[in-house]
Order: sequence, then C-alpha cells, then structure tokens
Amino acid sequence: DAKTTQPTSMDCAEGRAANLPCNHSTISGNEYVYWYRQIHSQGPQYIIHGLKNNETNEMASLIITEDRKSSTLILPHATLRDTAVYYCIVEVDNNDMRFGAGTRLTVKP
Amino acid sequence: GAVVSQHPSRVICKSGTSVKIECRSLDFQATTMFWYRQFPKQSLMLMATSNEGSKATYEQGVEKDKFLINHASLTLSTLTVTSAHPEDSSFYICSARGQAYEKLFFGSGTQLSVL
Repeated sequence: DAKTTQPTSMDCAEGRAANLPCNHSTISGNEYVYWYRQIHSQGPQYIIHGLKNNETNEMASLIITEDRKSSTLILPHATLRDTAVYYCIVEVDNNDMRFGAGTRLTVKP
Repeated sequence: GAVVSQHPSRVICKSGTSVKIECRSLDFQATTMFWYRQFPKQSLMLMATSNEGSKATYEQGVEKDKFLINHASLTLSTLTVTSAHPEDSSFYICSARGQAYEKLFFGSGTQLSVL
C-alpha cells in the first residue's frame, strides 16, 4: 500500500528532458520523497530525495509542489541508458520504504 | 558513496533445501536493513525490516519461520529461505541504512531458482 501514484509508462526522445510525475496527496509534513530507479535484474539505484525544497544533483532535479502533494523528477538530457523503471517513494514512519508500481521510462533514439 | 554487497547473485537449489543470502554494508554501519522480493514484471515487495541486535519485523503474509532473518552485526544481515519450494523462486533484494544517511543503499539482488 504505497502512498504514491505514478503513470505506468512514459516515452522520451534521446537528448530531451524526461519529466516523471508523482502524486503523494496524503504526504505528512515530515515525510521525505525519494526517487529510485531499477534497470532490469539489478538492485534499485538512488537518484534523489527531498522534503520541501527543490533539489538538484548530478543525475536529476526534483521539483516538489508547494503543498507537497506532488513532485516531478527531471532527467535533463535523457540517454538510452536511462531506460528503467522509476519509483517515487514516500517514507512512512522514518523506516518504511515501500515501493509502488513505478513508471517504466523508455528512452528512444 | 556507500556500498551494499549481496551474495550470491544467483542460486539454483533443489526443492526442500535451505538457501542463505548475505547482505553486507561495506563502508558504513547499517543500523537498519530491509529485505524485498520481486517477481517478474512486478514491483519490489517489502518482506521484513531488521534492526541490528533485535528481531526482524515481518510484513503481513510473510512467514517468519520460512524466511529467517538475522542481523547480528552492524554490517551483516542474512536471509535464509528454509525448505525452499518452486514458488519461492524470486529475485531477493536487500537494502541498508546507516545513522548518517537518510537514503537507502541497495544490494544487487539474488535470483533464486528452486527446482
């Protein structure tokens, strides 16, 4: 019973920005939003996380709405190697990382 | 960055045997470890959460006598699938969190095939 909803799948052209949305309308004030991705038959890879402010690192940017009920993960210049399942997770009780169904992103040449 | 090592990466066993999977945090102390299983084309399902030195907390529907979890040290947790059957065939993944980190670090997973 994940607390997030994401589109099942998305396509993106290589070199373009990939914007992956996530709804977490029941998020509490002290719950972080995490993004992970999983490439086939591998363990999930951490991408980014945030609480209230927008965040950016070498992999991606995370935009969190002011009411914190949704967020968007942005991969600024998608490559073929970014094809993966992307999971948005809201942590419950500071120690409960449950995965939803995720978004299957396909980057196309 | 922090590294979590999971072994073996793949194991094939006969029905009725037990299989142990190890999860080690290589350069940090893992106060909490999580075990997940994943069936083909499905998401990760949390099986249990373990804190070092205490008994694991199992998710509803996960048999604790079937999936034995030991977290005896701050760098090692093990999952033992006892009396494995073909329906236990799955991809098992561990993750670890240390006191200094907010995020989880994941192992590379173990593909278990029970014949």
